[in-house]
Amino acid sequence: GENVEQHPSTLSVQEGDSAVIKCTYSDSASNYFPWYKQELGKRPQLIIDIRSNVGEKKDQRIAVTLNKTAKHFSLHITETQPEDSAVYFCAASNSLGGTSYGKLTFGQGTILTVHP
Amino acid sequence: KAGVTQTPRYLIKTRGQQVTLSCSPISGHRSVSWYQQTPGQGLQFLFEYFSETQRNKGNFPGRFSGRQFSNSRSEMNVSTLELGDSALYLCASSLGLAGGAHEQFFGPGTRLTVL
Repeated sequence: GENVEQHPSTLSVQEGDSAVIKCTYSDSASNYFPWYKQELGKRPQLIIDIRSNVGEKKDQRIAVTLNKTAKHFSLHITETQPEDSAVYFCAASNSLGGTSYGKLTFGQGTILTVHP
Repeated sequence: KAGVTQTPRYLIKTRGQQVTLSCSPISGHRSVSWYQQTPGQGLQFLFEYFSETQRNKGNFPGRFSGRQFSNSRSEMNVSTLELGDSALYLCASSLGLAGGAHEQFFGPGTRLTVL
């Protein structure tokens, strides 16, 4: 089955810096890659996602890039703010069927801390 | 639209008991997936239901089961509880259509503590 590796496990940056979190996946059939932000005691919130027919997607300060050949995708946060501090999870799925249907396989999470 | 809701929010049980958790998806969503979140194992997929049918299942023992009703609400049951079942149980809903919108939106979770 699918396996998703996420790095780094912790990331500490100064306010205004950029943050990059990287994930690799194993199943070439995966075609949907969401990123979730989970604040302490809260539910995971979908912040951005990308499909395999797209190489990059941006939403204000957040961007995601996908390299299908290398099977890795990354989350980029620019101009970080203290409210960006949270745990970030990447995930992979196959929206067309197969063993990943309806199933998100998550990375282990990255604890991002943005210092004022 | 109202978001995904889960009840109860907190549960305390003892070993050997059983528990039933409930999830109401976003209106119009027909797929409900369940995940277990623990500090050691992270977020792990339990199962997914679409139109009252289980479409996918994760690597959990048979003590974990679920079902979905005609209104898309879903329940999961854990029988013969073990200490290791203590976790946050999250459900997520999506439209669930093949090749279509696949975004999963999470509920607040049920925090289960097994003593």
